[in-house]
Order: sequence, then C-alpha cells, then structure tokens
Amino acid sequence: GIQVEQSPPDLILQEGANSTLRCNFSDSVNNLQWFHQNPWGQLINLFYIPSGTKQNGRLSATTVATERYSLLYISSSQTTDSGVYFCAVAPGLTFGKGTLLTVNP
Amino acid sequence: GAVVSQHPSRVICKSGTSVKIECRSLDFQATTMFWYRQFPKQSLMLMATSNEGSKATYEQGVEKDKFLINHASLTLSTLTVTSAHPEDSSFYICSAPGTGYSNQPQHFGDGTRLSIL
Repeated sequence: GIQVEQSPPDLILQEGANSTLRCNFSDSVNNLQWFHQNPWGQLINLFYIPSGTKQNGRLSATTVATERYSLLYISSSQTTDSGVYFCAVAPGLTFGKGTLLTVNP
Repeated sequence: GAVVSQHPSRVICKSGTSVKIECRSLDFQATTMFWYRQFPKQSLMLMATSNEGSKATYEQGVEKDKFLINHASLTLSTLTVTSAHPEDSSFYICSAPGTGYSNQPQHFGDGTRLSIL
C-alpha cells in the first residue's frame, strides 16, 4: 500500500517562530489532508489539499502532487499550536506517523 | 459544513463485554464510512471501510468477527467490539467523505476512548 512519511517527528519552538512540516507519499493520491490532533483526540481538519497552495490565517499548505510531497507552514507560532500534526492521503485514508509540535512561551 | 457525530465519547467496561460505537453523518448522506484505531502515542490506522447496504471491507490483520460493522442506513454506521479484552483498549474514530466519495475531504467524529478493565 501507499507509504506516508512525515518529518520531523518532533519539533520544539519558541513562541513566535516559524516552522515547516513535510509529508512525503509513495504513490499518486486523490486526496491529501492535514490535521491537528488536540489533547482530547479530536482531529481538526486544517487543509484539504490534493494539489496547489492554500492559506488560512497563520497556516498555509502546498502540495506538489507530481513530486509526491506536501508542506505545512506555521508562521508566528503560538502555544495553542502545540499538538500532533498528521498528514493523511487517500485512498484509505493512510496517515503518516505525525509531527509532535511543542511551542514554548 | 459536514458534521460527523460519534457516540459514546468514552466507555469503560469489564473484560468480555461487547461495546457498540455509533457514527452518524448529521447533514449529509454517506454511502461509505471509515473506522480507525489509534493506540497511545501512535498514528491512526484504518481498520475497515463501511459500505451502506453491503459487507464491510477489513484491512489486513483486523478480525472481522471481533469488530462487527453495520451500515444499515445512509447516515449511520456502527462498530461493535465483541467480547472486548484489555488489548482492545484504544481510541476509535470514524470518518465520512462529505459528498459520499472517497476522494473528497474526510470529516471525522470526535472519537471514542475505550478502556477495558
């Protein structure tokens, strides 16, 4: 089946810093989503982005489908951004192992 | 937007009990729903695809007799963990594509935390 790799696995930032999370996938996909999982387990849908670039406030994402990767940018990070960020692709969905982001005040 | 409701949010029960988890699409019809399991500090793993009016499709290594899935209507799928044991303790979460097709955004329920004593 399709393989999804996320990097880095862990990321520690100071509040206000910018970061880039990466998602590589091994085959063509018809759906790619980025999620933030909060401490209660809820998956917050950040972007549905099978291709192209989207922005929502301090977050933006870019997927280059032909090169099989997607990037999630977080600018001016806040402590509330802490948590696990998952990339997931269809068919499936198949999830990556996630990036654990910790933003310190 | 599309909303998926999952119930209950938390279950604590004794070993040997069967537990039913419901997943409802509130404002759209879902011919297909997906069930995932997440162990602590791990990623989500797809368990099975629930198909309205037909048998579910299980991923490799998932026991279909252990995890019974029923998708009796266009808005409801249920997952029953039969004769649950402590190793079945996990976070179970469902999803449905908003327009009913697998290549559309998946909308997730809030999950069910199952603890078997």
